Amino acid sequence: DTAVSQTPKYLVTQMGNDKSIKCEQNLGHDTMYWYKQDSKKFLKIMFSYNNKELIINETVPNRFSPKSPDKAHLNLHINSLELGDSAVYFCASSLRAPGNGYTFGSGTRLTVV
Amino acid sequence: DQQVKQNSPSLSVQEGRISILNCDYTNSMFDYFLWYKKYPAEGPTFLISISSIKDKNEDGRFTVFLNKSAKHLSLHIVPSQPGDSAVYFCAASAGSSNTGKLIFGQGTTLQVKP
Repeated sequence: DTAVSQTPKYLVTQMGNDKSIKCEQNLGHDTMYWYKQDSKKFLKIMFSYNNKELIINETVPNRFSPKSPDKAHLNLHINSLELGDSAVYFCASSLRAPGNGYTFGSGTRLTVV
Repeated sequence: DQQVKQNSPSLSVQEGRISILNCDYTNSMFDYFLWYKKYPAEGPTFLISISSIKDKNEDGRFTVFLNKSAKHLSLHIVPSQPGDSAVYFCAASAGSSNTGKLIFGQGTTLQVKP
């Protein structure tokens, strides 16, 4: 199936732990994104990579570090997890051009306890 | 600083009637607008888009209207079906930024009653 797949779908972890979320797309897109949906349901961009190059880096704590080994993969590593990091994280991809829509993954619900 | 706003958190309509979802924006640099639909436990899926050079775009039961002077767009669904029940997000981008970044509204939950 052509899609954006992210793993894991659910992640429950303790404060202070380090965790990673993986994302892969097989759509041939050249740009990938990480969005965070907070408790108020806003979807806010965190990072974007185009052909492995970081092009968007919003105001995000430096405990969050994206890594793109190739243009089909964009992983998100989070160090020293805090309660406030609990949210749903969505990966997305697109062809970088004005007005192009994204294809989203199904999301990773992160719960920090 | 919320540049894209969906002021109605929810909307309930009867099957077969029209659903109208509204979205307002503040940034005059936005030149592309998109609507996404989201079911629970799934990612948003692209529905329809419009460029700022147009004031209307239609795709089947879905039509998006853009009023640039009012910085307002709306999504019309006619006729509404129970399967349309979902959260609808409005999004906008500024093509000049060349990053593909989308700014999303907070969503409107649509319930279509049989």
